Amino acid sequence: DIQMTQSPSSLSTSVGDRVTITCRASQSISNYLNWYQQKPGKAPKLLIYAASSLQSGVPSRFSGSGSGTDFTLTISSLQPEDFATYYCQQSYTTPRTFGQGTKVETK
Amino acid sequence: QVQLQQSGPGLVKPSQTLSLTCAISGDSVSSNTAAWNWIRLSPSRGLEWLGRTLYRSKWYYDYAVSVKSRITISPDTSKNLFSLQLNSVTPEDTAVYYCARVGCTSTSCRYGLDVWGQGTTVTVSS
Repeated sequence: DIQMTQSPSSLSTSVGDRVTITCRASQSISNYLNWYQQKPGKAPKLLIYAASSLQSGVPSRFSGSGSGTDFTLTISSLQPEDFATYYCQQSYTTPRTFGQGTKVETK
Repeated sequence: QVQLQQSGPGLVKPSQTLSLTCAISGDSVSSNTAAWNWIRLSPSRGLEWLGRTLYRSKWYYDYAVSVKSRITISPDTSKNLFSLQLNSVTPEDTAVYYCARVGCTSTSCRYGLDVWGQGTTVTVSS
């Protein structure tokens, strides 16, 4: 299985801050990398697919980059509704695998 | 728009079978531009992909190695739904279970899970 490793596992930040989360794959996955946001009691929400494509309806402050094994999710200016847990997921091969999550908390 | 509605029991006894269904509206379980997945979330394992089914002239199934000996995902074209069965459950299978869709092109299903069910909390306990 392809292992996905996110960092950091949590971060404390403030509204208006720029937030960067990284995801590393244990082998090359080309650009088959997706990012999700999950809030407590809710299903995950797709933010970014194919490493850098913004899912319809997702605010433009979210962006993704990377290819091969190293990927980044950036929130350009954190909004109050962005406090949540973020997951990466590879869709290069089955079994699909997720990172362990990054919890974005208020400072 | 596409919606997924989950149903099934929230409590299962150890060694028994966990059974959940996911009813699809706005799409078809036999669409050749979708794949239908089950995922679970637990504190110990995080998000874990369990498996999927997709139809491309015939039915295909992929399962996670961790559950491969215990899992069955079944499409039901007459009711436009797909189901999850997980046999011989233990307390380790306690989790929130989600069904989800991947939108595909004619040549690739390597995209994100874009539509999710509401989630079902399943507790394995006697």
